[in-house]
Parts: sequence; structure tokens; C-alpha cells
Amino acid sequence: DTGVSQDPRHKITKRGQNVTFRCDPISEHNRLYWYRQTLGQGPEFLTYFQNEAQLEKSRLLSDRFSAERPKGSFSTLEIQRTEQGDSAMYLCASSFSPAGHEQYFGPGTRLTVT
Amino acid sequence: GNSVTQMEGPVTLSEEAFLTINCTYTATGYPSLFWYVQYPGEGLQLLLKATKADDKGSNKGFEATYRKETTSFHLEKGSVQVSDSAVYFCALFNDYKLSFGAGTTVTVRA
Repeated sequence: DTGVSQDPRHKITKRGQNVTFRCDPISEHNRLYWYRQTLGQGPEFLTYFQNEAQLEKSRLLSDRFSAERPKGSFSTLEIQRTEQGDSAMYLCASSFSPAGHEQYFGPGTRLTVT
Repeated sequence: GNSVTQMEGPVTLSEEAFLTINCTYTATGYPSLFWYVQYPGEGLQLLLKATKADDKGSNKGFEATYRKETTSFHLEKGSVQVSDSAVYFCALFNDYKLSFGAGTTVTVRA
């Protein structure tokens, strides 16, 4: 079990550019979550997938954000036309349902928009 | 809605001191409760959990009891070590997602 991995670990981009992040969950975990964490705060829920289906999206997820999990394995989170307010740590987590609700987190992708 | 309120930090302790971090929650239904820990330079790690009222979660000398009557899940450790220095997050699982508190930074000095 290699844990949840995320790529890249750091991303610096200019305002207005598009960025894409990847998450590889723990194998056999059917649920995958994206959270956003800003300095001094706890993670905030963005969206989650059960297998390949995106079942819920937070109101934090504006139209510039899109997430996919095409084959029910890895997931991508894309941010279009980035803004400085998008600067944050983007965390991915996975879990297995219907077992316990504990989620296992990846190391995160730190996005800096200049 | 779901929300978690935890004790503000930072908290600074001497080694072998007793640690308590208060956590209260608001939720509909019967959420599962968690403590996560983030060590310097590392990702979030699950520390312990409790899934129903009066359950006690424990791990690495830390304990927390799910108190439905006071909607609380306070974290305790009887004798902290320098290696316990980290940010601690209380969280609840409800409505298919985790809701986190703001985190409490704990520093343990030798």
C-alpha cells in the first residue's frame, strides 16, 4: 500500500493561467475527495467521487474548477483562469465505502498564483 | 450545517506535561469524529476516531471520547514528548464529507 500520491507537490503560476493537479488514491479505495487548505485553517471540502461519479460539489467550487475521475482510479483537478485567491494547498484523500469513514490524505499540491 | 470548533492555539508545553485540546461540534444526525495530526513538513495523518456516542478512540498515547450530550470530542495525552509537536485538527464526518476545525498548534519543549 503506497498511500495517496499527488503531483505536482508545488506549482507556481501566473494569474490567468490554467493548472491541473493529479491525485492517485490508495488502490481499491472507491471514494476520492478534494479539499483546499489555506494558511491557518483546516481543510475545506471541494468535491468527491464514488468510483467515477462526481456526487457532490461544494459552493466553493466555482465554474473555473473542474474535477474528473474518468476510470474510477486517479483524479484530476483543473483550475482555469487562476486568480490570486486560488493560492492554497490542494489536498486529495481517499477512503473505502462502506467500511469506516476515515479518509487518508496525500501530501498535497501547494499552488501559488502570482 | 456541520461545524467544528476547537481550542485556539498556539499551545506550548514542557515535555511530560498533560495535554488537552478542546473540540466541540454541531451536526445533524450521528457523525463520526476524528482527530488528524500534521507534523512539520508532512501531510495530514489520521490519529484516532470514534464512530458513536461514548466510544473512545486511542492511538500513540492520545485519547478522545465521543460525548453526544456535550457534543464534544476533546483530545488528551497524559505525558507529551517533543515529537508530539504538530498541528492537531478535529473533524467530523457527515453528509459524505469531513468538516474540520481550524487546527491547534502544539509545541512541546524539552
